[in-house]
Amino acid sequence: NAGVMQNPRHLVRRRGQEARLRCSPMKGHSHVYWYRQLPEEGLKFMVYLQKENIIDESGMPKERFSAEFPKEGPSILRIQQVVRGDSAAYFCASSGQMNTEAFFGQGTRLTVV
Amino acid sequence: SQQGEEDPQALSIQEGENATMNCSYKTSINNLQWYRQNSGRGLVHLILIRSNEREKHSGRLRVTLDTSKKSSSLLITASRAADTASYFCATCKETSGSRLTFGEGTQLTVNP
Repeated sequence: NAGVMQNPRHLVRRRGQEARLRCSPMKGHSHVYWYRQLPEEGLKFMVYLQKENIIDESGMPKERFSAEFPKEGPSILRIQQVVRGDSAAYFCASSGQMNTEAFFGQGTRLTVV
Repeated sequence: SQQGEEDPQALSIQEGENATMNCSYKTSINNLQWYRQNSGRGLVHLILIRSNEREKHSGRLRVTLDTSKKSSSLLITASRAADTASYFCATCKETSGSRLTFGEGTQLTVNP
């Protein structure tokens, strides 16, 4: 039973480009969460999705960031017109039900140059 | 201010010693989870303790939860060099679904 799969593991983008981060939850999990981690800091919640629905996006920046979890395929975190401050590790987690263990992927390390 | 603050920020011990890390939080929770993160890697789930539980064990790990003090502790017994990592507590509020709020973590170094 594969764990949470994120790709790519590392992503380099120039300022102004778009970054697309993918996350496939654990088999049987329908709850997906995205978190961002800046160097030497803890994880900060961004968005919580279930299939085809955004449940809580209170941690998402108002502009340039969007997320989706389509009926088929992985969840996508999209960052448009990236800036240097977007450089961070982005982690995806999934859970099978509410208020249960969340399992994390290995993360995507985004570097904006 | 942070929901889920770990204490201490850094801890250095010798192999074989016990390591205790503390976590405080501010609001009512459904559960509290502890994670380990090795440098540059993903998070590994260690243990989940629910608000109606006071203590849980898993191998060399012992977690306590005091909801009256809004605090939790993680004890690692007989530490090993491989335990060197950052440890985070994360709270799941009653009203936030499964959204987790993380503290800043404790960096544990176990010296051989």
